[in-house]
Amino acid sequence: DAKTTQPPSMDCAEGRAANLPCNHSTISGNEYVYWYRQIHSQGPQYIIHGLKNNETNEMASLIITEDRKSSTLILPHATLRDTAVYYCIVRVWAGTASKLTFGTGTRLQVTL
Amino acid sequence: GAVVSQHPSWVICKSGTSVKIECRSLDFQATTMFWYRQFPKQSLMLMATSNEGSKATYEQGVEKDKFLINHASLTLSTLTVTSAHPEDSSFYICSALNLGESATEAFFGQGTRLTVV
Repeated sequence: DAKTTQPPSMDCAEGRAANLPCNHSTISGNEYVYWYRQIHSQGPQYIIHGLKNNETNEMASLIITEDRKSSTLILPHATLRDTAVYYCIVRVWAGTASKLTFGTGTRLQVTL
Repeated sequence: GAVVSQHPSWVICKSGTSVKIECRSLDFQATTMFWYRQFPKQSLMLMATSNEGSKATYEQGVEKDKFLINHASLTLSTLTVTSAHPEDSSFYICSALNLGESATEAFFGQGTRLTVV
C-alpha cells in the first residue's frame, strides 16, 4: 500500500471547519483513500473513503485532487467531540490482502 | 454502520498465564478479521490477518506461537496471548470486513486493554 504523510497535529476552534491534509504521492490507480479517526482509548471509527471523486457523508467531506496525489478531509463544523487522531490510509481492494496499514496520523485538538 | 464487539474491554492477568480475547461481528459475516496492537502514544500495528476456516497470516516479527488466532466461524475470531509477560501489556484491537462487499470499510472493535502483572 502507498505511504501517506500527514501533519502530526492541528488545532481547530469549535464551530469552524477542520481541514486535514494528506499526501499520498505514490498512490496507484486502484488504491482507495480511507479516513479513520481514533478517540482516546477506543477502536478506530470509519469516516469516509473515495477513489477519484469527492465524497460527502453525514460526518465529513473528502476532497481528492485530480492527480490523486493528495486529499483533504473536511469536518464542516468541528465540535469538542471531534478531538481525536485522524488517519489517512490508502488501500487497494484486493480480497484478503485488503488490510489497513496505519501511519502516525494527525492529532486534531478542537478548542473552545 | 456494522458493529464489531470485542470482549473483554480490559483484563489484568498474572505473568505466565494465557488470555483470550474475542472479536465478534454482530450484524454481518466477516470473512476476514484483522488483529492490531497499539502501545501508548503510538499508532496501530497490524499483527495478523485471520480468514475464516484457514490459518492466520502473521506480520513479520509477530510470533504465531505466542499470539494464537482462531477464526472458526464467520462471526467470531479469537486472539490468545499465551504465557503473557509484562511487555505484552498493550491495547489490542480487532477489525472485521465483509469481502462480499466491494471496497467496503473495515469496522473496528472497541479494543481490549491487557495489563500483565
